[in-house]
Amino acid sequence: EAQVTQNPRYLITVTGKKLTVTCSQNMNHEYMSWYRQDPGLGLRQIYYSMNVEVTDKGDVPEGYKVSRKEKRNFPLILESPSPNQTSLYFCASRTTGSPNEQFFGPGTRLTVL
Amino acid sequence: AQTVTQSQPEMSVQEAETVTLSCTYDTSESDYYLFWYKQPPSRQMILVIRQEAYKQQNATENRFSVNFQKAAKSFSLKISDSQLGDAAMYFCAYREIMDSNYQLIWGAGTKLIIKP
Repeated sequence: EAQVTQNPRYLITVTGKKLTVTCSQNMNHEYMSWYRQDPGLGLRQIYYSMNVEVTDKGDVPEGYKVSRKEKRNFPLILESPSPNQTSLYFCASRTTGSPNEQFFGPGTRLTVL
Repeated sequence: AQTVTQSQPEMSVQEAETVTLSCTYDTSESDYYLFWYKQPPSRQMILVIRQEAYKQQNATENRFSVNFQKAAKSFSLKISDSQLGDAAMYFCAYREIMDSNYQLIWGAGTKLIIKP
């Protein structure tokens, strides 16, 4: 089954404790992206990757890191999480050709205390 | 910068009735894509319908259809014969055709409540 998986689905942590949210897709997609969703703001892009070893900042990259060492994986790293990073996070992927649909992961609910 | 506005934080409709969700956007581009996504309580983002700006014909997917008014920069979603399973957050999103980032610009969402 074609899908984007994220782990963990739920995470409660404390300020300053490094964490990684994994994202993996099995569709051989070149493009992957991370978004955060906050009430009243919709989704905002954090980072994206056009292909292996190619990453770039989205609209809200501060406090986040990413890596793209393999085509299928695109982990999101919070080196020193803060309470303002409490949010719902989505990973998405798509092929660089048509169709234009982005496939979304199930989301990760992160709470930073 | 492009923006997407959903002016209705919440809408409610009686089961089997028709409801229309509003979306407006701001862009200086002539070619772009517009999308409606559904987010049920499971939080999964599900693509409902897609519209290419260069197509004058409004997109339709079963009970879902759009009213695309390019000059007015309006992109509303009509849900006919509403069902309990339609209850969800609905997000309008925009993407430039020439944007190599494929970035989606999102509205704030509309919560749709279906009354049995």
